[in-house]
Amino acid sequence: NAGVTQTPKFQVLKTGQSMTLQCAQDMNHEYMSWYRQDPGMGLRLIHYSVGAGITDQGEVPNGYNVSRSTTEDFPLRLLSAAPSQTSVYFCASSRGLNTEAFFGQGTRLTVV
Amino acid sequence: TQLLEQSPQFLSIQEGENLTVYCNSSSVFSSLQWYRQEPGEGPVLLVTVVTGGEVKKLKRLTFQFGDARKDSSLHITAAQPGDTGLYLCAGALGNQFYFGTGTSLTVIP
Repeated sequence: NAGVTQTPKFQVLKTGQSMTLQCAQDMNHEYMSWYRQDPGMGLRLIHYSVGAGITDQGEVPNGYNVSRSTTEDFPLRLLSAAPSQTSVYFCASSRGLNTEAFFGQGTRLTVV
Repeated sequence: TQLLEQSPQFLSIQEGENLTVYCNSSSVFSSLQWYRQEPGEGPVLLVTVVTGGEVKKLKRLTFQFGDARKDSSLHITAAQPGDTGLYLCAGALGNQFYFGTGTSLTVIP
């Protein structure tokens, strides 16, 4: 029972580089989301999706893009990495907004 | 300023003590959830409270949803080292799911 799988677990980028954080879930959940976690700020919502083909911005979307071509996958793209994007990123999925959210193990990203 | 503010931000107590963590907002939520997160892991759901004034108990943990559904509290009785972790409240508003600022709890044996 895989649940939510995030890759990679760790990544170091140089300023200006691009990369994609992968997220896949096998629970047939409609709602998927990406958060970043910084000290003292809990988790802040970057982008979310309520179903395949539908995405929207969260609290801190600048510098990030997402797409949802299938129910299972929800990749997060950093187009031109900046040091301010150094953070721990979590992907989550749930059946709906008020139901239990299941999280991946996180990606620790450092931008130098 | 975040939608859900938690207090205290850090808490360090001795084993056996009681503690309360607060989650406050100026917005009304249809439900609130509490999660616990351990280092290197994603958050894991502890409880969901739905009705204003609702109280839920999970062994030594008691969760309360405010009457106006704007705030919630988590009370731990006789804390144990295994309770150490980051506690996060969370709630849905519109189509977005917001998390609180977090309370880092350390229980010293």
